[in-house]
Amino acid sequence: GQSLEQPSEVTAVEGAIVQINCTYQTSGFYGLSWYQQHDGGAPTFLSYNALDGLEETGRFSSFLSRSDSYGYLLLQELQMKDSASYFCASRTSGAGSYQLTFGKGTKLSVIP
Amino acid sequence: AAGVIQSPRHLIKEKRETATLKCYPIPRHDTVYWYQQGPGQDPQFLISFYEKMQSDKGSIPDRFSAQQFSDYHSELNMSSLELGDSALYFCASSHGQGITGELFFGEGSRLTVL
Repeated sequence: GQSLEQPSEVTAVEGAIVQINCTYQTSGFYGLSWYQQHDGGAPTFLSYNALDGLEETGRFSSFLSRSDSYGYLLLQELQMKDSASYFCASRTSGAGSYQLTFGKGTKLSVIP
Repeated sequence: AAGVIQSPRHLIKEKRETATLKCYPIPRHDTVYWYQQGPGQDPQFLISFYEKMQSDKGSIPDRFSAQQFSDYHSELNMSSLELGDSALYFCASSHGQGITGELFFGEGSRLTVL
């Protein structure tokens, strides 16, 4: 089966930097995605790492180490609107197709 | 840009009733996914279709079924509804079975079972 572990809650100050870690145990692993979801809203894609290393997209960066089965999402210059849940998700293969399995999510609270 | 369209956005049903959710993927996307998300939970994968053929099944109850039609829209049919089926149901679509790791989610259909 697939298993992704991430902290349940993180609190950070506006303007600061926060890192959300994700460790995974999956078979048929192809890559790690990150999604943001505001309360009652749809998950929206932030970043995807298929290979080891850092991917940067504006204020958001994501890192993957396949040998350590570990990744993280880095949010810089935090803004109040960044308060949301963040999910890591593994793209895996199974029965000839692909699916995206989500972690339990990390609720980020940005405080003034 | 066109997004994933889901209907209805809200649905209230009684126990043991049936419900049908509809999803219209982004044009030219070849893969459709259904996810169920309970309050405070992560999205749980239910089922997916690639080029109108069922490609993978997750934790979809036997009471649920889904299909994708020739125009690529998909429907999730839920029968003998239970209180525990109350959740947000998301449809998502992607191109190339999500090879970029990016799924495009609709706004969801909120099902309440009384």
